[in-house]
Amino acid sequence: SAVISQKPSRDICQRGTSLTIQCQVDSQVTMMFWYRQQPGQSLTLIATANQGSEATYESGFVIDKFPISRPNLTFSTLTVSNLSPEDSSIYLCSTNTRTSNYGYTFGSGTRLTVV
Amino acid sequence: GEDVEQSLFLSVREGDSSVINCTYTDSSSTYLYWYKQEPGAGLQLLTYIFSNMDMKQDQRLTVLLNKKDKHLSLRIADTQTGDSAIYFCAEERGGYNKLIFGAGTRLAVHP
Repeated sequence: SAVISQKPSRDICQRGTSLTIQCQVDSQVTMMFWYRQQPGQSLTLIATANQGSEATYESGFVIDKFPISRPNLTFSTLTVSNLSPEDSSIYLCSTNTRTSNYGYTFGSGTRLTVV
Repeated sequence: GEDVEQSLFLSVREGDSSVINCTYTDSSSTYLYWYKQEPGAGLQLLTYIFSNMDMKQDQRLTVLLNKKDKHLSLRIADTQTGDSAIYFCAEERGGYNKLIFGAGTRLAVHP
């Protein structure tokens, strides 16, 4: 299955600033997904990113707040803009790999704290 | 309410079996997954089951699927302290290529 390297692993940011999270996959994948996990909560899908097209955002998430880039089939970034304390969460990227393992592989997550 | 529901907490004694339950709502779900999340870590895929299967066994893990009742369970045999973690079930909506997660079940294993 694919291996995803995600960075940074954690960051503390001032409110009003932005944080860009990067995910690098060790193989070419069609779709990448970005999730948010708020403290003590489950994972919520933010958007799906395909190479060469605009990301598709889920209800409640907008491009101005969570711009995504997908420049090629192995890389994606998520930016969390105009940070507020409510954005303090773990952000995870994911991809699906239709190998014999099936399943969705996740990055190790980025723990964001906004102060 | 949530589309995928799980009990939030389970406590078992080391060596006993653990059973974590999950219910989902979408009958078109194709795959159902169990993920494990240890403190400070990402999600680790434990196992999955295709919707046309009733059961899948993988070493200490047994997954049961009751499609009629939309009920999924994960049984961990001979539970060890290293199994302490949060377990998420997730359904893949047919044709949508995205996962819908439950709230997670925190499994605590005590001596």
